[in-house]
This record gives sequence, structure tokens and C-alpha cells, in this order.
Amino acid sequence: GAVVSQHPSWVICKSGTSVKIECRSLDFQATTMFWYRQFPKQSLMLMATSNEGSKATYEQGVEKDKFLINHASLTLSTLTVTSAHPEDSSFYICSATLAGGFTEAFFGQGTRLTVV
Amino acid sequence: GNSVTQMEGPVTLSEEAFLTINCTYTATGYPSLFWYVQYPGEGLQLLLKATKADDKGSNKGFEATYRKETTSFHLEKGSVQVSDSAVYFCALSDPGRRALTFGSGTRLQVQP
Repeated sequence: GAVVSQHPSWVICKSGTSVKIECRSLDFQATTMFWYRQFPKQSLMLMATSNEGSKATYEQGVEKDKFLINHASLTLSTLTVTSAHPEDSSFYICSATLAGGFTEAFFGQGTRLTVV
Repeated sequence: GNSVTQMEGPVTLSEEAFLTINCTYTATGYPSLFWYVQYPGEGLQLLLKATKADDKGSNKGFEATYRKETTSFHLEKGSVQVSDSAVYFCALSDPGRRALTFGSGTRLQVQP
């Protein structure tokens, strides 16, 4: 199956700093990528839909100025958590679907962010 | 809007026991249905899927049947193993949106 690589797998940062998370589709082109957030022992909540070459579409309640998403190419989307605070600590997961229709989503390994 | 409801966990079973994890959904149109598995510290992996009513998805001994009349997609396995211990997520896709809507997840613990 298609492979999505997410980096880093974990990161610890200080409050007030910014952290960038990368999501790459390794063997396919992804016109659309999705960013999810998972709180401990809870489900995944969609944060935003990232479209190559255009602005991301954010879900209600997600601060677009805090969670900056860039989808500059068909194989790379990045999520930058700006001015991170401890409440931003979470597990962030990206996924991508194959172009041309939805039959399956492929997920990255996830990034565990801890803000201290 | 779309929603997925899963039975609450954790579910604790002995090895070789029969597993059922219930999943029901609410959706407009005809979504595709999925079961994803998440092992500790890892991302989600697709376990099985069904794209239309009465389809049965199966993989690694797990099965689930898309039941439109009961809006359900229950996950079953005849004989679980310790290695099946993980969190299982039921999900549906909205054809018009392509993002997934997830259930709350069910943690399965299989004891030797």
C-alpha cells in the first residue's frame, strides 16, 4: 500500500516556541492531506484539510493562525504549531488519499508533541 | 452531520476468545466504512473496509459487514491473540469530503 511518512515522531519544545511537523507521501501524489489531533485515550479529531497549492480548510474551532498548514507540493504538507503552549501537547497525525477518488486513507506514524 | 458510535472499552478477553466490537453510524448518502487499528505508540493502520451495503471486509481473521438497514459495521474475530491488543477505530468517509469521521475508539486487551 501507499506510504505516508511523518516527521518527527516525537518532539519536546518550550512554551512560546514553534514546531514544524512534516507529512510526506513517499510513493504517490497526494493532492489532499488531512491533519488530525488525538488527545489521550480519545478519538482523532480533524483539524484541517490541506490542499496542494491552495489554502487549507480548517475545522470549526481550530485556530488557523496557531496551526499553520502549508501544502507546497504533491508529496509534502507541513503543520507548524506556533507559539506553542502546554495545552497544545497532543498526538498529531496526518493522512493522505490517492488522487482521483477516495477509497482509503493512508496515515503517517504520528507526532507526539510535548510542550514544557 | 456524520457520526460514528463505538462501544466503550476497554474490552478485556482471554486468548482464543470471540471478539465483537460494535459500531453504528449516522450519515447522509452512502459512505464507505472502515476499521483502523492503532498499536501502542504508532499511527493508524487500515484493518478492513467496505464500500457498499452488504459488503464484507476481512483481514487477519477480522471481519465486518456493512449493514445499511441497521447502520452498523460491527467488528468480529473468532479467536483473538495477545498480539491483537490495540485500539480499534471505526470510521466512515463522506464521499463529498474525503476526510474520515472516527468513532471514539475501543481499547482491546487480550490476556494469555
